[in-house]
Amino acid sequence: AQSVAQPEDQVNVAEGNPLTVKCTYSVSGNPYLFWYVQYPNRGLQFLLKYITGDNLVKGSYGFEAEFNKSQTSFHLKKPSALVSDSALYFCAVRDPEGDAGNNRKLIWGLGTSLAVNP
Amino acid sequence: DAEITQSPRHKITETGRQVTLACHQTWNHNNMFWYRQDLGHGLRLIHYSYGVQDTNKGEVSDGYSVSRSNTEDLPLTLESAASSQTSVYFCASSRTGLNTGELFFGEGSRLTVL
Repeated sequence: AQSVAQPEDQVNVAEGNPLTVKCTYSVSGNPYLFWYVQYPNRGLQFLLKYITGDNLVKGSYGFEAEFNKSQTSFHLKKPSALVSDSALYFCAVRDPEGDAGNNRKLIWGLGTSLAVNP
Repeated sequence: DAEITQSPRHKITETGRQVTLACHQTWNHNNMFWYRQDLGHGLRLIHYSYGVQDTNKGEVSDGYSVSRSNTEDLPLTLESAASSQTSVYFCASSRTGLNTGELFFGEGSRLTVL
């Protein structure tokens, strides 16, 4: 069955240090991968996506993610964390065996809470 | 600017009552989705629509219904509210095509069923 795993419920990092939020997936076919961020009491916001091409994709707020097909991973990274990056982060994959056409639903991870300490 | 709005943002109701959560988007997106977010469960898809008059059940659709009479709106109705439906509900929309995974979310509606 298709699935997305975020193995860490919480990640703590000091401000200024690099951060990594992990995501692994299990889908058939070529996955489309996404990262979203949710600030407290807000809706989710799109950060970045991998569809095809360069394995390193850059997104909003200085975040980037690396697609690794052999490890079936799509880890979110940032070279220098900010306190304002503290939020809940969701990884998602588009199900390639979903509905017909281009309207395929997302499979979501359970989220990772990132805390950046001053 | 285009946006997606949900109302009400907070609602308290009693078991057995019918509740409708509104979702309105001005992106002119064909795809619209309703999710619920609960601790330990992440986001779970309730219903979704790929266009006017199209509605589909998600993974947790029991006790919920939607209708799509125009592009802009996808109201979510709880026919007879239950305490298990206490949750935060998010509406989202997206374009068709390869950008389908780029969802635009509303700010959420927090529902408490007593």
